[in-house]
Order: sequence, then C-alpha cells, then structure tokens
Amino acid sequence: SAVISQKPSRDICQRGTSLTIQCQVDSQVTMMFWYRQQPGQSLTLIATANQGSEATYESGFVIDKFPISRPNLTFSTLTVSNMSPEDSSIYLCSVMGQGVDTQYFGPGTRLTVL
Amino acid sequence: GNSVTQMEGPVTLSEEAFLTINCTYTATGYPSLFWYVQYPGEGLQLLLKATKADDKGSNKGFEATYRKETTSFHLEKGSVQVSDSAVYFCALSDPGDKIIFGKGTRLHILP
Repeated sequence: SAVISQKPSRDICQRGTSLTIQCQVDSQVTMMFWYRQQPGQSLTLIATANQGSEATYESGFVIDKFPISRPNLTFSTLTVSNMSPEDSSIYLCSVMGQGVDTQYFGPGTRLTVL
Repeated sequence: GNSVTQMEGPVTLSEEAFLTINCTYTATGYPSLFWYVQYPGEGLQLLLKATKADDKGSNKGFEATYRKETTSFHLEKGSVQVSDSAVYFCALSDPGDKIIFGKGTRLHILP
C-alpha cells in the first residue's frame, strides 16, 4: 500500500481567499484523485489529476474553482479558489497504482471557511 | 451504470454484539468490492476487499463475502468493540477505474 501525506491537515480561511492543498505519495502511482467530503456525507469525486495534462473534472466541478496540478507521479495539488462557507469540507487525496484495483487515501485536509 | 447501496445509519450496538451492515451493488461487469472505514477525524482506511465471486475478505475480525447471486457484500463482525465506532463505506470498482462509494453507515458502539 502507498503512504500518502497531505498538507495542511486543517485550516480556517476567510471568505474570498484561496487555499492550496498538497498531496505527496511515497511511490510512483498511475492515478491520483481529489475528493470532497461535506460534513456527515459520503465522498464526492472532484477530479482525476493527470500527470502532464489537464485534470479531468466530474460534473459540477470546474477548473476555475478547483485548479489542480500534477507535475510528477508522486505529487499533486488542489486549490480551492474564492472560497465561501459552502466549501467547508474535508478534502481527500487518493491514489491507485497501475494494474491495481485498490485506492488508498490520504488523511484529509479539514477546511473551514468563515 | 455501477452503483452501491448500503444500509442507512446510525447503527447503535452494545459492546460484544454481533454486527451486520448490509451492502448491495449494481454492476455491468465483474467489479472488485471493498469496505473502507473512517474513524473520527481521520481519512479513509481500506478495511477489506474481495475481487471475485465467493471470495471472502477479512481484517480485524470483520468479514464480508462477495455474493454474485445476490449482488451483496455485507460486512459482519462477531463481537464489536467501542473502538469499532466509525463510519463504514461499501465501495466497488472495475479494474483500472475509479471507485464508487456508498453513502456510508455510522456505527456507534456503547460500552
């Protein structure tokens, strides 16, 4: 299994600002994903982070709001832009290796927007 | 498309009780099935998985059997502990594809 770290682990931000979340994996992985988990809810996939190309966004999520970078096979960032209180959630990074059917998750970033 | 349905919570049990959390799925192919657990304030951890029909996944006293005939993957534990209090997610994925989660079941174990 992969060891995944996220930074920051939590943050409290003001409305209208942006926050960039980092995800680091201890080994090269084929696929990296970003999820949002709103309070008391299940996970919602935001996008698949593609190495060397633009991320693939799910319905309801757009690049202007959630820009994603993936410069190599072990690192990705998610930015939450122009935040509002509705963006208060846990944001989770997840990875899957090639030919593997299992996804592993980072510890999450708990974001509160005031 | 593929989907996962699991029993709604919260589920409240006394310590040492028997646990069942029901999960059924809809899939066009032959997906792998998973149970993930989320302890309070933490991310998701893989609890167990099964990759083909009749496979049994097991870990930490939890078990689930891949039942193709009933399209189910129910989670069971013979004697729960307070430390098992968490949210449990049933999930499936086709090989190489992203995972699909159920809505989660919150479990409370009373001492």
